[in-house]
Amino acid sequence: DQQVKQNSPSLSVQEGRISILNCDYTNSMFDYFLWYKKYPAEGPTFLISISSIKDKNEDGRFTVFLNKSAKHLSLHIVPSQPGDSAVYFCAASYTGGGNKLTFGTGTQLKVEL
Amino acid sequence: SQTIHQWPATLVQPVGSPLSLECTVEGTSNPNLYWYRQAAGRGLQLLFYSVGIGQISSEVPQNLSASRPQDRQFILSSKKLLLSDSGFYLCAWSGGRTPFFGSGTQLSVL
Repeated sequence: DQQVKQNSPSLSVQEGRISILNCDYTNSMFDYFLWYKKYPAEGPTFLISISSIKDKNEDGRFTVFLNKSAKHLSLHIVPSQPGDSAVYFCAASYTGGGNKLTFGTGTQLKVEL
Repeated sequence: SQTIHQWPATLVQPVGSPLSLECTVEGTSNPNLYWYRQAAGRGLQLLFYSVGIGQISSEVPQNLSASRPQDRQFILSSKKLLLSDSGFYLCAWSGGRTPFFGSGTQLSVL
């Protein structure tokens, strides 16, 4: 049972344009959502998070949007840069769950020159 | 600032051999600690988590075990490795809602 889904295994975007990565979840108990960036053979790096009491959180070029009714969140990267090329993982946790994360399967982002 | 150390970075072990991966955290007290695994081409799966010394919860049945002998030390072990234990193992810690990950260990069981 995949409780967190990233349906696009890959995404290609031109440098300077917007990258939009999507994530869907099924567990209504999830109330904290995170995005991590991962390079091959390295640990995931935390990018940005959002609590379920908000619908938007912004940090520099990264913005996360949460639509609770649709159980959907998205990560926007503007402008995209070649160094953003990596695998992006969506993750979720719930209060009282020990901050245990349930991950999506990841989206490979490639930012082309 | 907090840092997390995980070693070794890569490990090649024969089937049936034992395993010990170690993770330590600096700059924080009483963190939650986690072991995750990423199998080839897949997402990250939680294996174990710990909220304190000697307190270990297993998330999936498997050939592995975990121990927390000290507040900031987390160890992943196996008595006899299987081929299916191959993967990328990640240790993580959290003091709040956001877990932070170590650099990972690539384990190849041959």
